[in-house]
Amino acid sequence: DIQMTQSPASLSASLGETVTIECRASEDIYNGLAWYQQKPGKSPQLLIYNANSLHTGVPSRFSGSGSGTQYSLKINSLQSEDVASYFCQQYYDYPTFGGGTKLELK
Amino acid sequence: EVQLVESGGGLVQPGRSMKLSCAASGFTFNNYDMAWVCQAPKKGLEWVATISYDGSSTYYRDSVKGRFTISRDNAKSTLYLQMDSLRSEDTATYYCARHRYLRNYFDYWGQGVMVTVSS
Repeated sequence: DIQMTQSPASLSASLGETVTIECRASEDIYNGLAWYQQKPGKSPQLLIYNANSLHTGVPSRFSGSGSGTQYSLKINSLQSEDVASYFCQQYYDYPTFGGGTKLELK
Repeated sequence: EVQLVESGGGLVQPGRSMKLSCAASGFTFNNYDMAWVCQAPKKGLEWVATISYDGSSTYYRDSVKGRFTISRDNAKSTLYLQMDSLRSEDTATYYCARHRYLRNYFDYWGQGVMVTVSS
């Protein structure tokens, strides 16, 4: 199985701040990476696929980048509705997820 | 609007069985591969199983092989997960999820159903 290591596990940021979450794969996943947002008590929602493509309806303040084994999710100008947990997922092989990043407001 | 509605969860004793269902609407169900993904309490997400659009192929994570069976009824637009020989470590919220067309990520998720395995 491809292991996904996500960091940080938790993050506290202020409104308007830029936030970056990292995800490292145990081997090259050739941009087969998705990011999901999960608000408390809700199901995950797709944000980004193919490492850097925005899913329909996702605000443009979200962006993804990376290649090989290293990927990141950036949130520009943090809004209160962005408080959530974020998960990366590789799909180069059978799907595996990162451990998640819990984002809170400072 | 794509909708996935799970049902069938609850409390079950170790070693017993449970069957989950997921009713799909708002899209052509028989065009899409479908999956179950679980999330243990306060934990991360784990892919459980996938079934191809026509039901001809199924895939499972190692920990559920031989115990869980994913199936679908395209005439009813419904996905199933038969869970046998349940263990305490199977306790989780189970989500039905739609595979993005021909891809192994998930573009729509159900609201989830809780399965608790305990005596």
